Amino acid sequence: AQTVTQSQPEMSVQEAETVTLSCTYDTSESDYYLFWYKQPPSRQMILVIRQEAYKQQNATENRFSVNFQKAAKSFSLKISDSQLGDAAMYFCAYRSVGGATNKLIFGTGTLLAVQP
Amino acid sequence: EAGVTQFPSHSVIEKGQTVTLRCDPISGHDNLYWYRRVMGKEIKFLLHFVKESKQDESGMPNNRFLAERTGGTYSTLKVQPAELEDSGVYFCASSQPQGRSTEAFFGQGTRLTVV
Repeated sequence: AQTVTQSQPEMSVQEAETVTLSCTYDTSESDYYLFWYKQPPSRQMILVIRQEAYKQQNATENRFSVNFQKAAKSFSLKISDSQLGDAAMYFCAYRSVGGATNKLIFGTGTLLAVQP
Repeated sequence: EAGVTQFPSHSVIEKGQTVTLRCDPISGHDNLYWYRRVMGKEIKFLLHFVKESKQDESGMPNNRFLAERTGGTYSTLKVQPAELEDSGVYFCASSQPQGRSTEAFFGQGTRLTVV
């Protein structure tokens, strides 16, 4: 069975600085998706960034980028030029490809605080 | 277009009572998922509907939980009778018909507290 581990329950960053959130996972599959989701307080969880395992190039979405190390089964999220609106709970998630259900397997989350 | 909406946003009930959570998916989304996060732990999959049919209910904790999706539209998740360990945040997500890059859209969650 696949597992996702986020070892940082809480992180803090100064506004305009860069922060990296860690995520490791375990799987025997070769093709899969990895995601970072963001949940602001009392609001909907939204997709931040997605990475396909067969793509070697790291995904980037504006100030958000990932460092995907397939052999090490590591998938960290880097947030550059942090803004106050980045404060949220961040979840790393895994999804198999080609299964009957596209269910997500989540980590325990990292609560990110952004200091002004 | 409205996103995934969940009702209520919060619910506090006593042990032994019944609670029904509701999820309205995005219109046209055949797939509907329920997840749960117990305080401080990971978000766990509960079950998956494709239209009105249960595709995968392997994550349902026990028979006190009953999920329905009448007519393939909104879904309800009933907990009867509720126990203390059922407390947590229940998330609903929906997505379009299966595809390699199908994205799941989440609701804001229902925070359930059983006292």
